[in-house]
Amino acid sequence: EAGVTQFPSHSVIEKGQTVTLRCDPISGHDNLYWYRRVMGKEIKFLLHFVKESKQDESGMPNNRFLAERTGGTYSTLKVQPAELEDSGVYFCASTEFWATNQPQHFGDGTRLSIL
Amino acid sequence: QKEVEQDPGPLSVPEGAIVSLNCTYSNSAFQYFMWYRQYSRKGPELLMYTYSSGNKEDGRFTAQVDKSSKYISLFIRDSQPSDSATYLCAMSADLGAQKLVFGQGTRLTINP
Repeated sequence: EAGVTQFPSHSVIEKGQTVTLRCDPISGHDNLYWYRRVMGKEIKFLLHFVKESKQDESGMPNNRFLAERTGGTYSTLKVQPAELEDSGVYFCASTEFWATNQPQHFGDGTRLSIL
Repeated sequence: QKEVEQDPGPLSVPEGAIVSLNCTYSNSAFQYFMWYRQYSRKGPELLMYTYSSGNKEDGRFTAQVDKSSKYISLFIRDSQPSDSATYLCAMSADLGAQKLVFGQGTRLTINP
């Protein structure tokens, strides 16, 4: 079974540009999470999808971040326009829908560098 | 104040030593407690999870939770150089359907 897949693995863009990150969860997993780790800080929650619906987006930092999950399969996270403080590693995780006894499985992350 | 506190280290011990990693937390709603291991340029990999208070053992790894003290621990016995990684504690009120709250992670090096 394939794990959570994220790409690109690394993205370097200039301030003001737009970047789109993609996450493919484990097949059949309806819960999809985005997290972010900025340098020197802990991994922090961004948002949670259940299928195509946003269940919790309390961690999204501002309206420059737009997450979508059309069709309830893969998800994208767009940053527009990117700012220096958006640099960090963005992780995606997934679980099955009835996941009260299953931990979250993480992808290897996208390392985002804003110059 | 952070919801989860974890000493970032770094922690360096000789091969074969017993390693103790710890986290404290403030939110009494947390019911599930996880330890993830993260190698450089990789995602967090689940080591163990525990529900509520108690101990759980898996090979050389033992997880302990003391909810009365809001304190969790991970012990590694007979540590190996391959155990060198960053260890992250994480917690949630629900295991699979709610957000995880992470500690900062402890960077561990096992010296041959």
